[in-house]
Amino acid sequence: AQKVTQAQTEISVVEKEDVTLDCVYETRDTTYYLFWYKQPPSGELVFLIRRNSFDEQNEISGRYSWNFQKSTSSFNFTITASQVVDSAVYFCALSEADNTDKLIFGTGTRLQVFP
Amino acid sequence: GAVVSQHPSRVICKSGTSVKIECRSLDFQATTMFWYRQFPKQSLMLMATSNEGSKATYEQGVEKDKFLINHASLTLSTLTVTSAHPEDSSFYICSARDPRRGENQPQHFGDGTRLSIL
Repeated sequence: AQKVTQAQTEISVVEKEDVTLDCVYETRDTTYYLFWYKQPPSGELVFLIRRNSFDEQNEISGRYSWNFQKSTSSFNFTITASQVVDSAVYFCALSEADNTDKLIFGTGTRLQVFP
Repeated sequence: GAVVSQHPSRVICKSGTSVKIECRSLDFQATTMFWYRQFPKQSLMLMATSNEGSKATYEQGVEKDKFLINHASLTLSTLTVTSAHPEDSSFYICSARDPRRGENQPQHFGDGTRLSIL
């Protein structure tokens, strides 16, 4: 069965600190996709990244970076030099090859960045 | 700008009322849309897959007669919460993917509808 675990319920940091959000997934498929979404207080879901299971290269986008490790079934997300605007709930999600549009979400990590 | 529009953004109504939520794809046709539900401080749970021109596919544990889904056109799916009760209070979000952009593009989510049943 598919499952996404985000063990960190809440994280609080002070501005300019780096923070890593953990995501561990379970799937029996060899082809799957991993996602990160941001949900600010207003509620909308903002897409951050999509990664397929065959691409283990780490990715950097500005202050954001992602570390995909198939060996540990993890897809961790790091924010460098955090800012107050980064405060949100972050969701990791998984979809499988037979239904790539069906997303299975983790429980989310609430990040609070204090000035 | 938004590619998936959801309306209304917030609903407050009395117990027993039926509430309709609309999800529209803007600028693209979506044969499939998805409805999620999110309880406070919890994750998004897929409720059902809305299929244009055919019946919706419901996830295990979701009552079909309670949550009516209609996908009558390629740009509109509606979710009707029938005879809503306080336990139905939640945040409902829809999503769709623009098929023109290929399989590698992510789903777009609406802004969500916060439903409060008194």
